[in-house]
Amino acid sequence: AQKVTQAQTEISVVEKEDVTLDCVYETRDTTYYLFWYKQPPSGELVFLIRRNSFDEQNEISGRYSWNFQKSTSSFNFTITASQVVDSAVYFCALSDFSGNTPLVFGKGTRLSVIA
Amino acid sequence: DGGITQSPKYLFRKEGQNVTLSCEQNLNHDAMYWYRQDPGQGLRLIYYSQIVNDFQKGDIAEGYSVSREKKESFPLTVTSAQKNPTAFYLCASSSRGEPIAQYFGPGTRLTVL
Repeated sequence: AQKVTQAQTEISVVEKEDVTLDCVYETRDTTYYLFWYKQPPSGELVFLIRRNSFDEQNEISGRYSWNFQKSTSSFNFTITASQVVDSAVYFCALSDFSGNTPLVFGKGTRLSVIA
Repeated sequence: DGGITQSPKYLFRKEGQNVTLSCEQNLNHDAMYWYRQDPGQGLRLIYYSQIVNDFQKGDIAEGYSVSREKKESFPLTVTSAQKNPTAFYLCASSSRGEPIAQYFGPGTRLTVL
């Protein structure tokens, strides 16, 4: 069975600090996808990134970066120089390689960035 | 613009009443999903459909029903059998066979009075 664990329920940081959101997953599949979504106060989930299990290269997009380590089954998300607009709930999710089956979500991490 | 619409945004229901939540997409996606979100619980799958006229139960299907008569539409009915229906409901869609992310609608917040 697939499972995603986000051990950090809530995190508070001061603006401009760096923050890392942890994600650990479990799957018996050898190929799979991992995702991060952002849920701002409006409620809609915003897709941030998809990473397939073949590609362990870290990825950077502006202030966001992702560290995928298959050896530890982790897919951590770092926000550099955090801003108040980064305040949201962040979800990590896992799917099989077809991408056409339901995602398995972690319980989310609520990030509060204080000015 | 392509996307997923859900209506209404807020819905109030009296105990014992059935209520239907709308989900429409114009992305030409084959698969559609309904998730329920409760505080601190993450997203839990209610039902999903990978093709018209076919759907599967998710982890928490009891007290819910769905239909998929058209590719663009996947309405969710919350029946009176659902014990704790107050929650935030999110609809999503994805394209079959293409490993892209699921895209989500804006959600419907259901409150049972």
